Amino acid sequence: DSGVTQTPKHLITATGQRVTLRCSPRSGDLSVYWYQQSLDQGLQFLIHYYNGEERAKGNILERFSAQQFPDLHSELNLSSLELGDSALYFCASSVDGDTDTQYFGPGTRLTVL
Amino acid sequence: DQQVKQNSPSLSVQEGRISILNCDYTNSMFDYFLWYKKYPAEGPTFLISISSIKDKNEDGRFTVFLNKSAKHLSLHIVPSQPGDSAVYFCAASGGNYGQNFVFGPGTRLSVLP
Repeated sequence: DSGVTQTPKHLITATGQRVTLRCSPRSGDLSVYWYQQSLDQGLQFLIHYYNGEERAKGNILERFSAQQFPDLHSELNLSSLELGDSALYFCASSVDGDTDTQYFGPGTRLTVL
Repeated sequence: DQQVKQNSPSLSVQEGRISILNCDYTNSMFDYFLWYKKYPAEGPTFLISISSIKDKNEDGRFTVFLNKSAKHLSLHIVPSQPGDSAVYFCAASGGNYGQNFVFGPGTRLSVLP
């Protein structure tokens, strides 16, 4: 158990819909990262938040957005969903966002039908 | 363009023998590298890291070697155990990516009893 929690574990929805994935970092960690893992693909970095502020963006689509709240939990919002958005979405947290170890949550499996 | 490559999608090794997982990168600005292990239905877990000022880092059965001139790193597991069977991701950070990691596609290791 990494101490990072993600909800829900599984999500099945239809094309065109909008979903919200939630992540709670480890206690004391200020940084939250979101990754997408599509079938047979490596982890693709989406976005990084540090203490409520966006720090870096990766390959995140404009239909996707994220935020980190004052209590440091984070939400990833995916809208106008397409079949290709079906993937595992991982959240990771780290202490301060420098080059330190990231601890991953168990992931949310999103299936878009 | 994949900046972190793991050219072997899978590897099978006999229990007790050495497992060698390879990773190549193209961005010479990367200066910090990690290996993660992922079991099915779980998030990746951190294994071992190495910074570019070193060429070897050891932690128990796991050793990571870095060859900067070849832009190559490898993870050695000795002796391999059935519980090591998992997908191993190589990740790199530095340069334009700052502290955000670029992951390879992973190598599935099967340790046969």
